[in-house]
Amino acid sequence: DTAVSQTPKYLVTQMGNDKSIKCEQNLGHDTMYWYKQDSKKFLKIMFSYNNKELIINETVPNRFSPKSPDKAHLNLHINSLELGDSAVYFCASSPLNSNQPQHFGDGTRLSIL
Amino acid sequence: RKEVEQDPGPFNVPEGATVAFNCTYSNSASQSFFWYRQDCRKEPKLLMSVYSSGNEDGRFTAQLNRASQYISLLIRDSKLSDSATYLCVVNSGNNRKLIWGLGTSLAVNP
Repeated sequence: DTAVSQTPKYLVTQMGNDKSIKCEQNLGHDTMYWYKQDSKKFLKIMFSYNNKELIINETVPNRFSPKSPDKAHLNLHINSLELGDSAVYFCASSPLNSNQPQHFGDGTRLSIL
Repeated sequence: RKEVEQDPGPFNVPEGATVAFNCTYSNSASQSFFWYRQDCRKEPKLLMSVYSSGNEDGRFTAQLNRASQYISLLIRDSKLSDSATYLCVVNSGNNRKLIWGLGTSLAVNP
C-alpha cells in the first residue's frame, strides 16, 4: 500500500564501510530522486532519474552511486562511508518533472560511527 | 541572494490564531511553487501547490506574487496539530529540479 518505500529505515555503520539504500515506488511515476537532509535540516537534491536515465547529478562525491534497474526503483550505494555522510536520506518520486509535486519515502537515517 | 529564502522562526502562536509565512525566490523563470509540511523526524509531505491566482484549502491559503517574487501561506484558526516545519519549494527555471527553503518552524500552543 505504501507509495514510496525505502529500506532500511535506520542504518548504523562504521567509517569506511560500503552500504546500500533501496527505494521503490508503486505510483507509476517516471522520475525518482535522492535527497540528503543534514543536521541543519537543509534538504538537498543529490540525484534524479527519469525512466532509468540520470538527469541530475548535483556535485555528489563519486563514492555515491545511484542505480535504477527500472523506473520503479532507484537504489543508492555509498562506498567508503565518512563521518560527514551522517544524515537522513530521502527517496522521492514525481509523475514527470519538477513542475509536479514529489512524494517522499519516510527516510533512511544513516549514522556513521 | 539565496535561491529560496524563508524566515526560520520559530513562530509560537496560541491555538486559534492566524499566522502567515512568506518565502522569496530569486529565479524569475520559476514556474511551479509548493508548500510542504515536515514533522519532526518525518518526511516532507505536500501541503498545497500554489497557483497564480492564489488558492485555498480549508484553513490554508496560498498566494503567489510574481512581480515581487514571493509566495505566502496563511493558516487560519491554528490547531495544535499544525505544529511543524513549513517548507517553501520552487522549481528551477529549467524545470530540472525543485529548490527547497530551509523551512519555517511553527509551534501552536494550547
